Amino acid sequence: GAVVSQHPSRVICKSGTSVKIECRSLDFQATTMFWYRQFPKQSLMLMATSNEGSKATYEQGVEKDKFLINHASLTLSTLTVTSAHPEDSSFYICSAEGRLASYNEQFFGPGTRLTVL
Amino acid sequence: GNSVTQMEGPVTLSEEAFLTINCTYTATGYPSLFWYVQYPGEGLQLLLKATKADDKGSNKGFEATYRKETTSFHLEKGSVQVSDSAVYFCALTNSGGYNKLIFGAGTRLAVHP
Repeated sequence: GAVVSQHPSRVICKSGTSVKIECRSLDFQATTMFWYRQFPKQSLMLMATSNEGSKATYEQGVEKDKFLINHASLTLSTLTVTSAHPEDSSFYICSAEGRLASYNEQFFGPGTRLTVL
Repeated sequence: GNSVTQMEGPVTLSEEAFLTINCTYTATGYPSLFWYVQYPGEGLQLLLKATKADDKGSNKGFEATYRKETTSFHLEKGSVQVSDSAVYFCALTNSGGYNKLIFGAGTRLAVHP
């Protein structure tokens, strides 16, 4: 099956520093990747959609200068939380869209828990 | 706009009880419908899906039928296990665009021995 990995799985950083999270599709090419944020006991909030080789499309209310997304290849997208603050602490999940049959399906990574001190 | 409404949790059941988690949706066009499961500390896993009206998705004893007339996709399982304890998300995708998933709020299920 299609596997999506995220690295790191957990990260703790000091306020003001930047953190990069990687999302990789391991056994398929993903032209589109999605980044979600999940607060405790809540649903997933789509932050942005990224297509390989082009700028990400951010959802309303998401600061593009705060959450930098790069989709440099068909198997890798990165999310950089710049100048992180405690309110950025959250569970970040990526997904990658792959065409395995006649249908485009999203496959989710295991998530990255970010804690900003 | 498109939206998904799930029953509020938590749902607490004894092992071997029957499970129903209600999900209704509002959508234009012909959405595809999904149930995802999230175990503690993990990302989402696709549990089952249905891509057109009257389709029944099934996996691991769970079932859900795409009911266009009632705009529903209720999740059912005949006999739950402790290992089914998780958060369940109902979701849909638009018929076009980037297939952006729209999630319901999630329903937490706790199964006790």
